[in-house]
Amino acid sequence: AQSVSQHNHHVILSEAASLELGCNYSYGGTVNLFWYVQYPGQHLQLLLKYFSGDPLVKGIKGFEAEFIKSKFSFNLRKPSVQWSDTAEYFCAVNEIQGGSEKLVFGKGTKLTVNP
Amino acid sequence: DSGVTQTPKHLITATGQRVTLRCSPRSGDLSVYWYQQSLDQGLQFLIQYYNGEERAKGNILERFSAQQFPDLHSELNLSSLELGDSALYFCASSVEGHYTDTQYFGPGTRLTVL
Repeated sequence: AQSVSQHNHHVILSEAASLELGCNYSYGGTVNLFWYVQYPGQHLQLLLKYFSGDPLVKGIKGFEAEFIKSKFSFNLRKPSVQWSDTAEYFCAVNEIQGGSEKLVFGKGTKLTVNP
Repeated sequence: DSGVTQTPKHLITATGQRVTLRCSPRSGDLSVYWYQQSLDQGLQFLIQYYNGEERAKGNILERFSAQQFPDLHSELNLSSLELGDSALYFCASSVEGHYTDTQYFGPGTRLTVL
């Protein structure tokens, strides 16, 4: 079964610092990869997704992620974070099992950005 | 606001009881997904429906069941509740139910089992 690892449980940064959140998955076949974000008191929403093509994917709010197949990784990056980026970030990958697909989520990384 | 609504927002009940959580998808979305989020397990996929039919099943316990009605709203029924069922239950919806679709999440129902 597919598993997703997010290396950092809680990351604390100052505004304008650069961000990189790690995500590794275990399934070696064709994958679809996602990053979701949950701002305090809000619902989960899609940040970006990768299906095929250019491994560098750009999402909303200046975020990007790079798919590195050889490393089974899909790390999320932002060159300069803002206080409003404080949120919990979830990496997800689809898993195909028994003819059906489902999303497998990592346990999330809480990001705190100090002004 | 994602357009997905969930009721109730909070639910407090006792062990052994049964509860029903309700989800209304975004207008036009045919597929509904249920997830459970707990501190130790993270966000776990439970079950997916597409246009009234079960499409995919995840780590859903036999004590739990769900259905999607003709008006496309969905209900998740949790019975013989245990302390460990305390969690945040999310519903999401998407247009066609393929994993290339963007899933839109509701605000969740926080279930506390005492």
